[in-house]
This record gives sequence, C-alpha cells and structure tokens, in this order.
Amino acid sequence: DGGITQSPKYLFRKEGQNVTLSCEQNLNHDAMYWYRQDPGQGLRLIYYSQIVNDFQKGDIAEGYSVSREKKESFPLTVTSAQKNPTAFYLCASSTWNTEAFFGQGTRLTVV
Amino acid sequence: DAKTTQPPSMDCAEGRAANLPCNHSTISGNEYVYWYRQIHSQGPQYIIHGLKNNETNEMASLIITEDRKSSTLILPHATLRDTAVYYCIVRVEGDNYGQNFVFGPGTRLSVLP
Repeated sequence: DGGITQSPKYLFRKEGQNVTLSCEQNLNHDAMYWYRQDPGQGLRLIYYSQIVNDFQKGDIAEGYSVSREKKESFPLTVTSAQKNPTAFYLCASSTWNTEAFFGQGTRLTVV
Repeated sequence: DAKTTQPPSMDCAEGRAANLPCNHSTISGNEYVYWYRQIHSQGPQYIIHGLKNNETNEMASLIITEDRKSSTLILPHATLRDTAVYYCIVRVEGDNYGQNFVFGPGTRLSVLP
C-alpha cells in the first residue's frame, strides 16, 4: 500500500543530544514537509523540500536540519541547539496538485 | 501566518449536521480551500478541497461563498468518531510549490451523544 511512514512513534532524548526522525514515502511525491505541533496548537512548518537535493527553511527552522538525498526520504535531525524540542513531529508529502498526505507522527520527549 | 480564521471550538449532537465555518477574506483567485481533521495524537487527515464550486465527497460537503471569502464544511450526520480538530487551509496549486500547507489552530469539534 502507498503511504508515508514515520519512525519511531515515540522517541526519548537526553538534553544535549542530537536525534534523527525518519520519514519515508512511496507515493512518488516530489514535495515533502516537516511540521512541529505543541499541545493544543496548530502545526508549524520546520522545513520543506520540493525536489531531491533541495530544501527550504520554514517558519521555525532554528535548531533543526534536514537532508533530501532520495525522493522517498526526508529525515529531520533535532540538534542540541533546539532549546525546547519536546513536541509532536509530523511529516507530509504532496505533488503540486494534490492534497498533503501525513504520517502518523513522532512524539519526541527530552528527558 | 495562517490566512484563515476559525472558531476555536464547537459542539454538535450526534446524528445532526455539523457546520464548521472558515473565513479567508484575503484569498487569491488561484488559491484552493482545503479541509483537514486531526484526531488526537494522529496525523491530519484530508477531507475535501475546492476552488469556487461546492464540492461533495463521501466524507463531507464544502460550501464556498460566491465571493470566496468564506466557506463551510458540512458533516451531514456527525458521529462520535468525528470528534477532532478541523483545519481550514488555503493553498495555491500549480508548478510553484512556494505556498505550503499553513495550519492555524483550527476548530475543536466535539460530537455529543
């Protein structure tokens, strides 16, 4: 079945550590997105990529990094520079004329 | 910033129609209106989208005013499983990905038994 997969579902990180969240899609979509969601809030865009080997900062990119080496994959690294990383992270993909398809999210907790 | 405004919360009786409003007074001629919903701790789920004509699918109906400055999502027979946060988004479709899916806080719909 086609879809978008995020892993892991839950992730715990110690303060000062980098951690990478995985996002894979087999929908042949060109564009991929990362969002952050805090409790009771809407989604905020971290990074997006329109094509392989290219990506752009969203509204809250500080403390995050991404790569887009393959069309299917768009991993997000939460670095130690991110001051408050505990949140729910959502990955999505789309083409230019379709809706965005979302993964089921990764809940990151700093311990 | 989100280009839409929605009421923060609404209640609806089970079995009745749920009508969720959205204002998008600055919408451009080539921007579509999209609706998503998010059930607690899951990824948002696409519901419906439209440009200027009313749209209907198996989940809902979308009514867009003639001036396109507002729209209403209608769930014709709400069930308890429709309890979720509903997001209204405007987005350009085209070769330019420049506009992304910008989410506001949405409307928290509670379907009551």
